[in-house]
Amino acid sequence: EVQLVQSGAEVKKPGESLKISCKGSGYSFTIYWIAWVRQMPGKGLEWMGIIYPGDSDTRYSPSFQGQVTISADESISTAYVQWSSLKASDTAMYYCARRDASTTDDAFDIWGQGTMVTVSS
Amino acid sequence: SYELTQPPSVSVSPGQTARITCSGDALPKQYAYWYQQKPGQAPVLVIYKDSERPSGIPERFSGSSSGTIVTLTISGVQAEDEADYYCQSTDSSGTYTVVFGGGTKLTVL
Repeated sequence: EVQLVQSGAEVKKPGESLKISCKGSGYSFTIYWIAWVRQMPGKGLEWMGIIYPGDSDTRYSPSFQGQVTISADESISTAYVQWSSLKASDTAMYYCARRDASTTDDAFDIWGQGTMVTVSS
Repeated sequence: SYELTQPPSVSVSPGQTARITCSGDALPKQYAYWYQQKPGQAPVLVIYKDSERPSGIPERFSGSSSGTIVTLTISGVQAEDEADYYCQSTDSSGTYTVVFGGGTKLTVL
């Protein structure tokens, strides 16, 4: 079964750092882009950026450039997004999603279950 | 920055047809995709390349495109179709930038 499994919920304080993960299985992880998508409470989907695990080519949304770092470790089929200094406004559900350039012509066809990040003092 | 515009809400009775629109200047040149998100769940792809349906998605879901507007149509709406629906595309500037519409809450009366 093709799936993306994300790390568990996190509760952090402002100013703390955080790295959450997204592990792919059931397919060749290195040849599909992985995107990260933010969903703030009660709000819509926002694209954060995307990475190609095969060579770590990374693109960021202008809104998230400099705010987060996206990375991947192809040896363990895992993508990451990290924050160096969290803010309360980072409180949100974060999803990873696979971009399928072949069958669905660049749709996000597989999604992780989401990781809830809560930042509160 | 590039934007996709959706109506905030659409309401239909069971068995009727729901139409959700998404407008954007680059849609004549870029494909659109539609995702369904039910409360507490991750989004699910329901339409890709404007009008193609992934395997496992019911035939009552269809998509169409006309100029700067794409439309998700759900024929014979069922109670289980109540969800938020998001369109998604990319801009046409040459740099890969993904954009989601603001989402449409479909209510089945």
